Amino acid sequence: DQQVKQNSPSLSVQEGRISILNCDYTNSMFDYFLWYKKYPAEGPTFLISISSIKDKNEDGRFTVFLNKSAKHLSLHIVPSQPGDSAVYFCAAIDSGNTGKLIFGQGTTLQVKP
Amino acid sequence: ETGVTQSPTHLIKTRGQQVTLRCSSQSGHNTVSWYQQALGQGPQFIFQYYREEENGRGNFPPRFSGLQFPNYSSELNVNALELDDSALYLCASSPDREGGYTFGSGTRLTVV
Repeated sequence: DQQVKQNSPSLSVQEGRISILNCDYTNSMFDYFLWYKKYPAEGPTFLISISSIKDKNEDGRFTVFLNKSAKHLSLHIVPSQPGDSAVYFCAAIDSGNTGKLIFGQGTTLQVKP
Repeated sequence: ETGVTQSPTHLIKTRGQQVTLRCSSQSGHNTVSWYQQALGQGPQFIFQYYREEENGRGNFPPRFSGLQFPNYSSELNVNALELDDSALYLCASSPDREGGYTFGSGTRLTVV
């Protein structure tokens, strides 16, 4: 039972354009969502998060949007840079359940120069 | 000390053997979690420790066990290794129980 789903295994965009990574979830108890970036041979690195009481959070080039009614969130990267090429994981937390992270399968982003 | 350090980085074991993976967390990080990441998948929660006591467990059999020590280090032990245990094992620590996790680089375990 996959509670967090990233249905696009890969995404390729041109440098300077917008990258949009999508994530869907099924558990309405999730109250906090995070995006992690992972390079090969490294652990996931925290990128940006959003509380379920908000619908948007922005940090520099990165913006996360949350649509609770659709149980959907997305990460926008603009402008995309070649250094953004990595695997991006969406994760969710149910704070009432130990705060463990539930991850999606990941989306590999390639930004072409 | 900053960051989360895991050892070893790579390990090859034979089916049926036992393995211990180690993690050194940041000072003050009372929560440590372990995750298993199979190839092409997202990390899967194994269990979590808070102040040396297990306070959450994922869908993993009892042969996966752990310990957390007062010096902010922890261990993941796996008994009776199976081929499907081959994966990247990630340790993550946090100063509290909610989010803010810092991940280590992981231990790549191969069971042959």
